[in-house]
Amino acid sequence: ETGVTQSPTHLIKTRGQQVTLRCSSQSGHNTVSWYQQALGQGPQFIFQYYREEENGRGNFPPRFSGLQFPNYSSELNVNALELDDSALYLCASSLIGEEETQYFGPGTRLLVL
Amino acid sequence: GQQVMQIPQYQHVQEGEDFTTYCNSSTTLSNIQWYKQRPGGHPVFLIQLVKSGEVKKQKRLTFQFGEAKKNSSLHITATQTTDVGTYFCAGGSYIPTFGRGTSLIVHP
Repeated sequence: ETGVTQSPTHLIKTRGQQVTLRCSSQSGHNTVSWYQQALGQGPQFIFQYYREEENGRGNFPPRFSGLQFPNYSSELNVNALELDDSALYLCASSLIGEEETQYFGPGTRLLVL
Repeated sequence: GQQVMQIPQYQHVQEGEDFTTYCNSSTTLSNIQWYKQRPGGHPVFLIQLVKSGEVKKQKRLTFQFGEAKKNSSLHITATQTTDVGTYFCAGGSYIPTFGRGTSLIVHP
């Protein structure tokens, strides 16, 4: 196990609703990245947070937003959910300046109806 | 933007046969990482390659990084049923771009 935890494990929402997903980083890691993995695809980078600031963003609309807290835990918020947002959401923690190996959490499976 | 392509998408092998997956990037990569994701699981880091022409081995797994740092391969010798899963390469610096993965199915 990597020490990265995510909650909830599963979630069902309806179109137009908002969702908040949570991630607790591995101890000692200062960076959290969020990914969206659709069925049969590789993880797609959403954004990364380092020292509570957004440190890079992928090709996702502004309704995807995030936070990183002083204890390095993180949230991913998605507003105005769409059917295509149904996916596995993964967070990965790492330590900038080291090998930068990413350790993934178990993910949250989101289904939008 | 940077694109990372992996082939094949699926590979069926008999237990004991070898397996290779290939990863190609449209741009030069600063490094490449390989991950394994079991069905229903999450990606697990296997290895990172940084140097041009680098070759690393982990038991039956051999990883190579091309001389031009635009391609990489993962080779598994004598596959076992425990090797089943999807193997992803991810290229780039601190924001890696993942390929679509190669799903390995091992028949006993």
